[in-house]
Amino acid sequence: NAGVTQTPKFQVLKTGQSMTLQCAQDMNHEYMSWYRQDPGMGLRLIHYSVGAGITDQGEVPNGYNVSRSTTEDFPLRLLSAAPSQTSVYFCASSYLDTQYFGPGTRLTVL
Amino acid sequence: GQQLNQSPQSMFIQEGEDVSMNCTSSSIFNTWLWYKQDPGEGPVLLIALYKAGELTSNGRLTAQFGITRKDSFLNISASIPSDVGIYFCAGQGGAQKLVFGQGTRLTINP
Repeated sequence: NAGVTQTPKFQVLKTGQSMTLQCAQDMNHEYMSWYRQDPGMGLRLIHYSVGAGITDQGEVPNGYNVSRSTTEDFPLRLLSAAPSQTSVYFCASSYLDTQYFGPGTRLTVL
Repeated sequence: GQQLNQSPQSMFIQEGEDVSMNCTSSSIFNTWLWYKQDPGEGPVLLIALYKAGELTSNGRLTAQFGITRKDSFLNISASIPSDVGIYFCAGQGGAQKLVFGQGTRLTINP
């Protein structure tokens, strides 16, 4: 089992560019989520999904889109990157009350 | 949104000392979780607490779920160098959504 994988590990964007952060899990978990981590802020929930075809907003969804076409994949899309989206992004999948986090994507928007 | 207040924000201790950190919330949670994050990695679950008043241990770690369901603490006994990292509390309400504290950065002097 690879667990939760995220790509890329690092990314630099210019303001206004778009990109997709990839997340995949091989544990057949129904629940997946995206968080962003900023210094001194802990992790904040962006979007989550309780199963294929079902997504919902978290605490800080603005500027991000998600879709869940398969159980395994949960990509996060930035349509027009802004400097305020500079952060470390973590994807997680969970079984019951245990969330398993990926290694993170460090994104810088110039 | 919901907020968790975690303290202290940072700790500098000698190897072998005991450590204590806590989290408080204005909201009630059904589950309290404690995570550790190493540099460049995602958070890893240390302890999960499911019932008010519950006291749970995992090796040198002990955590308690407060009676009011609005707080939790984590103790680490006899600290060792590999305990260095950032510790996060998280409260879970419904739909497996987590709210994280700001983190406690632990530094250990050998």
